[in-house]
Formats: sequence, C-alpha cells, structure tokens
Amino acid sequence: QVQLQESGPGLVKPSQTLSLTCTVSGGSISSGSYYWSWIRQPAGKGLEWIGRIYTSGSTNYNPSLKSRVTISVDTSKNQFSLKLSSVTAADTAVYYCARSTVIGDWFDPWGQGTLVTVSS
Amino acid sequence: QSALTQPASVSGSPGQSITISCTGTSSDVGSYNLVSWYQQHPGKAPKLMIYEVSKRPSGVSNRFSGSKSGNTASLTISGLQAEDEADYYCCSYAGSSTFDVVFGGGTKLTVL
Repeated sequence: QVQLQESGPGLVKPSQTLSLTCTVSGGSISSGSYYWSWIRQPAGKGLEWIGRIYTSGSTNYNPSLKSRVTISVDTSKNQFSLKLSSVTAADTAVYYCARSTVIGDWFDPWGQGTLVTVSS
Repeated sequence: QSALTQPASVSGSPGQSITISCTGTSSDVGSYNLVSWYQQHPGKAPKLMIYEVSKRPSGVSNRFSGSKSGNTASLTISGLQAEDEADYYCCSYAGSSTFDVVFGGGTKLTVL
C-alpha cells in the first residue's frame, strides 16, 4: 500500500523559505489518476489546504497562499516538494502531504505530518 | 475563517448516535457530490472516513455514514464507542475558480 513521509527542517527563521519533501513508497508517484497535495494545521486549529500537483507538473494553489507557494515533483525520486517563502510565525504548523484522486479530491493516504516552527 | 461551517463540539453516550453538520454554499457543498470526512485523534494524521458524500473506504466501520441536503452535509456515527472520540473535519471540492478544496473548522466529538 502507498505510504507518504514528510521530511525537512523543523525550524525556519522569519522571512526565510520553508522547504519540505514528501517521499512516496509502495507505489509510483507517476501512476495516473492522482494528485499530490500539501495540507497544514496550526496547533489547536483546523486543516488548511495549501495546494496540489499532478505528475505532469500542473499545479493548483490556495489563493490565500498562492503568491508564496511552489509545489514541484521529482518523479525519478518518487517525491514531491513544498516551498513557502517569506514565512512568519503564522506559518508555524504541522505540515501533511497527502494523495487525492483526480475525480474527487478526497485525501487518502496521509503522511504522519511534520511540525515546522517559524522562529528566530 | 473556515470556508465550511461545523459545530465546535458534539457529545453523546456510548451506544447512542450523533450527527455532525457541515454547511457550505452553492459553490462548494451544494454544487458537488464531493464531500469527504476525516477523523483525527490527538497527535495523529487525519484518516479518511467518508468520500463522495456517503461512500465508506474499505476498513471503515459501517457505523459511520454520510449524507447531503442542499448546502449542508452530515456525518452520522451510530452505536458510539469510546474510540470514536476525536476531531472530525469535513471537506469539499469547491471548483477550480475558487479554493479548489475547502475544509471545515472541525468538530470535537466527546463520548461521555
């Protein structure tokens, strides 16, 4: 079965760029019919969809984050990545990667999540 | 501010049934049969419980069911068990011209 695992720095300084990678195992990221998404959750708060990428490289982003977000895919490594620029304390959250279907945007499976703290 | 509105909390006793509502608009919940529900225990990743309004993934108990009427979707849990205590989030496709995907603010279910 497909499994996802996030990785990256747990601490990022304000104004810098947050970079995370999601490694997909148990299946090929290139197999069609799926989107690969990033979702975040500040402590004690709800889920916020950040954006998604298709293996063709086509992306969609949350309008509220669009100016700062880049999602990319590396099919040779079976990975996709998130970059969020000009971070502030408000970007402190647990970041999840997840797979969704092209026919209906339900997320399954999810990675375990990784906490990213923005602090100097 | 969350795009979909859920009650902050609901509670029920073991064996009872509860329903969690998820209210959106005609641009998301009302327009697409693409509502999903997630269960999240503390410190854990969300788990898909319902997709396409009322379908259950393999392995999810049939005590969980979903429905939709107009702009409001609902998750019903019957025969409440202690392990059902968790946060629940709804999610809807919102069309490519807006947010694409929107979540509810989450509902804390307490099993008394």
